[in-house]
Amino acid sequence: DGGITQSPKYLFRKEGQNVTLSCEQNLNHDAMYWYRQDPGQGLRLIYYSQIVNDFQKGDIAEGYSVSREKKESFPLTVTSAQKNPTAFYLCASSMEGQRNYGYTFGSGTRLTVV
Amino acid sequence: DAKTTQPNSMESNEEEPVHLPCNHSTISGTDYIHWYRQLPSQGPEYVIHGLTSNVNNRMASLAIAEDRKSSTLILHRATLRDAAVYYCILRPKKSSGDKLTFGTGTRLAVRP
Repeated sequence: DGGITQSPKYLFRKEGQNVTLSCEQNLNHDAMYWYRQDPGQGLRLIYYSQIVNDFQKGDIAEGYSVSREKKESFPLTVTSAQKNPTAFYLCASSMEGQRNYGYTFGSGTRLTVV
Repeated sequence: DAKTTQPNSMESNEEEPVHLPCNHSTISGTDYIHWYRQLPSQGPEYVIHGLTSNVNNRMASLAIAEDRKSSTLILHRATLRDAAVYYCILRPKKSSGDKLTFGTGTRLAVRP
């Protein structure tokens, strides 16, 4: 079945370390997105990519980096510059420009800084 | 980007209908109205979307006001598995970039 796979489900990081969250989709979707969710809050957009080898900053990109070398993969690196990285991270994908379709989300990665 | 306004929380009894409201008074003419729901510790799940006409699918119905300034997600018979946070979102015009902006949504509690 097609879908989005995020790994790992839980991740612990020491302060000062970079960590990379994986997001893979086999839906043949053009666009991919990374969101961050804090307890009791809505989702905030970190980065998005509408096509391979191109991506744009979202509302809270500071302290994060991404790459889009393949259509099916959009990894997110949480760098040591991110001051408060503990959060629930969600990856999503959609057909670019297709307003008549919804987004598909992964099951998320819960990152905890220890 | 156009914003949406939803109540923070609602309660319903099991097997009764639920009407979840959303106001979007600054909606643009070609913005689609999308609804998603998020169960605890999971990613959001697409529920339904519409442009002008009311829409039905296996999960829910979407009623859109004639002036498009508000909409209502209708769950015809709430079950305990419908307890979730429901988000009403406007999918923006192409010129704004195709990215969804989530508010805090409505937390639906279902009483057995």
